[in-house]
Amino acid sequence: DGGITQSPKYLFRKEGQNVTLSCEQNLNHDAMYWYRQDPGQGLRLIYYSQIVNDFQKGDIAEGYSVSREKKESFPLTVTSAQKNPTAFYLCASTREAGVVYEQYFGPGTRLTVT
Amino acid sequence: AQKVTQAQTEISVVEKEDVTLDCVYETRDTTYYLFWYKQPPSGELVFLIRRNSFDEQNEISGRYSWNFQKSTSSFNFTITASQVVDSAVYFCALSEPYNQGGKLIFGQGTELSVKP
Repeated sequence: DGGITQSPKYLFRKEGQNVTLSCEQNLNHDAMYWYRQDPGQGLRLIYYSQIVNDFQKGDIAEGYSVSREKKESFPLTVTSAQKNPTAFYLCASTREAGVVYEQYFGPGTRLTVT
Repeated sequence: AQKVTQAQTEISVVEKEDVTLDCVYETRDTTYYLFWYKQPPSGELVFLIRRNSFDEQNEISGRYSWNFQKSTSSFNFTITASQVVDSAVYFCALSEPYNQGGKLIFGQGTELSVKP
């Protein structure tokens, strides 16, 4: 079955540690996205990538970094510089064909930093 | 600036009632797309519908229907004969143009609770 995989579902870290969240898709989609969701709020875009080896900052990129070395993978690193890292992180992907198509989302990773 | 407003934070209905979720958007683009997503308690967003700005026809899919009105910049979602399984948070989203990354701008979401 095609889809987006995010692991782990729950992640706990100590303050000051960097942590990497994985996102893998087998939908052959070109574009991938990372969103952050805080309780009772909508999704905010962290980073996105429309092509391998290229990515762009979203609205809240500070304290985060990404890489896109392979089409199917778009890992997100939450660095110690991110002041409030505890949140629900969602990865998404979409096909690219000159128009905007729907994004498909992974199951998310709940990160707790104490 | 582009913006999506879902003024209803929470809605509670009894099973079999009809319910409408409101979505109002702001954009200066002439070509754009609107979306609705469902987020059940598990957390994963489920795609419901995509509508482009040139197609104002209403759409019906089973118990779900959508009313797109450019004149009022609204894209409302109605669930007919609601069921307990419809309980979730629903998000309306607006796309930026493709050549700007095709990013989605989400509203704050409406939490729908359907009671038996």
